[in-house]
Amino acid sequence: EPEVTQTPSHQVTQMGQEVILRCVPISNHLYFYWYRQILGQKVEFLVSFYNNEISEKSEIFDDQFSVERPDGSNFTLKIRSTKLEDSAMYFCASSEGLAGGNEQFFGPGTRLTVL
Amino acid sequence: GQNIDQPTEMTATEGAIVQINCTYQTSGFNGLFWYQQHAGEAPTFLSYNVLDGLEEKGRFSSFLSRSKGYSYLLLKELQMKDSASYLCAVSKRGYGQNFVFGPGTRLSVLP
Repeated sequence: EPEVTQTPSHQVTQMGQEVILRCVPISNHLYFYWYRQILGQKVEFLVSFYNNEISEKSEIFDDQFSVERPDGSNFTLKIRSTKLEDSAMYFCASSEGLAGGNEQFFGPGTRLTVL
Repeated sequence: GQNIDQPTEMTATEGAIVQINCTYQTSGFNGLFWYQQHAGEAPTFLSYNVLDGLEEKGRFSSFLSRSKGYSYLLLKELQMKDSASYLCAVSKRGYGQNFVFGPGTRLSVLP
């Protein structure tokens, strides 16, 4: 069964450093998403991406964040200068399209720890 | 804005039936999803409702009332492995089609 994959599973970084979180969405999906979940809190939307551009982003997704689809398979989230409060689990998700039943399939997540 | 409410925690006994409620207030409603999330893992899809009524899928059923901004997830014949958080998520109409998640309900199934 096709699945969303993410690397690394755990990333530890120093405050102020740049990190890139990587995702490989399901191959025939057209919509890609990043969410984050701070420990013990709810899942929060960051950004959605379609047709090689951002289609929607939340207030969390400020200038420190960027996304890219560098090739036909990868979808990346970059945080330019990490802060302590960026420590969270980051989930990538993908979906086929905008039709009803727009089920999003989630990857296993990357746990980011900022020291 | 969006507001989604769920009970924080519930406890039930193996073999029993449990109903997890979700109320929401949102603009541009385009469907309601239920996801299961085990601790430290990714959310996995359980069910989807866009029209009023009940959708049944094995041991899991989900109900939606759009006029009341209300949904519930019904779990039958509870098993120990059903101990997890259950997330209610509203899909917004629009180009981004992102989900707004509720806080989740942590269900503990006891023997």
